[in-house]
Parts: sequence; structure tokens; C-alpha cells
Amino acid sequence: NIVMTQSPKSMSISVGDRVTMNCKASQNVGNNIAWYQQKPGQSPKLLIYYASNRYTGVPDRFTGGGYGTDFTLTINSVQAEDAAFYYCQRIYNSPPTFGGGTKLELK
Amino acid sequence: QVQLQQSGAELAKPGSSVKISCKASGYTFTSYDISWIKQTTGQGLEYIGYINTGSGGTYYNEKFKGKATLTVDKSSSTAFMQLSSLTPEDTAVYYCAREGPLPGYVMDAWGQGASVTVSS
Repeated sequence: NIVMTQSPKSMSISVGDRVTMNCKASQNVGNNIAWYQQKPGQSPKLLIYYASNRYTGVPDRFTGGGYGTDFTLTINSVQAEDAAFYYCQRIYNSPPTFGGGTKLELK
Repeated sequence: QVQLQQSGAELAKPGSSVKISCKASGYTFTSYDISWIKQTTGQGLEYIGYINTGSGGTYYNEKFKGKATLTVDKSSSTAFMQLSSLTPEDTAVYYCAREGPLPGYVMDAWGQGASVTVSS
């Protein structure tokens, strides 16, 4: 199975900052990546699909990028409600696999 | 709106089985597959498999073959996952999620999760 590795494991950011988190695939996955946000005590929510497409209703401060093996999720002007875990997921091939997550904390 | 309502927390003994339900509303149930995902602190998110809610056809991640059994009741728009021969390693939160309308395991709606604790 393709292994998805996310970095950093955690980060502490101030409101208004710009943050970028990374997801690396162990093999070329093209643009077959999704990103999810999971707040404490909640289920994951879809943010980005096919690497760079923002899902319906997702604020435009969330941007996905990358292709092949290296992917990024950028949040411009982080808001307090963005404190959460963020997971990348390889999609389209079986079985889909998730990265270990990046925890975003607000200072 | 699309909603997936899961059954409540389960406390089970080693060697027993549990059956978790996932009731869908707000969309045509048989138009989308339902996936199941396991979440633990140690292993993170793991994909268990999916069921085609129209045909009942299933796919299982190799790791969960023999552990999970996915079924569906179209008349009540409910998907089920049975976990058998439970061990402490099955202690986790289990989510159901709708796949689609985007193809390729993109899960656009999730249930609230069902906690399963396996302990003697």
C-alpha cells in the first residue's frame, strides 16, 4: 500500500498567520489526494479533493496544491475556528490510505 | 441536508461481536456507496471497506477481511457493519461516510462516529 506521510505532526500558529502543511506519498499518486479537517470531538470534514479543488462551502482561505508525491494544504489568514487535525488521503485506488495528520493549534 | 446518523457507543467483551448502524437521510440512499473508517489514537484513520448500497456489493481492505462484514437495508436507508471476534485492538471510533458524488473514495459526508470499547 502507498504510505502517506504528513509533516509537521503539530504546529502552533497565531490568528491571521499563513500556514502550510505537507503530505508526501511513497509513490506517484498524480492528483489523487483529498484533505479533511477534524475538530475535537467531531467527525472529519472534506476540504479539498483531487489535490486542489475546494469542496462546496469551504472558505477560500484553504488552498490545496501539489502533484505526484508532494502535496500541500495552505491556510491563509488562519482563524480561531481552524484549530483542528488535518488529514490527507490518497484517493482513487484501493485501499485508500490516510496520512497520520497534522495538529494545528492556535497560540 | 445529507445526514448519516450512527448508533451509540458499544462496550463488548473479547470474542464477541457488535453491529453498528448508519442511517442515511437527505439524499437518495442507493445512489452512493457507504464507506467505513476506523480511527484510533495509535493507528490514525484506516479504511475498512465500502458497500454499494444499490447492489449490496462490497469491497474490503485486506486488513479487515474476516473482521468486518458490511450489509445494507435499502428499505430503511441504513448501512450496517458487524465486527466479529473482537479483541482489544478493535477498540476505536468507527465512522460511516458517503462516497460521492465525486468518484474515487472521496467522502463528502460522515456520521458522528460510534465508539466501540472491547474489554473484559
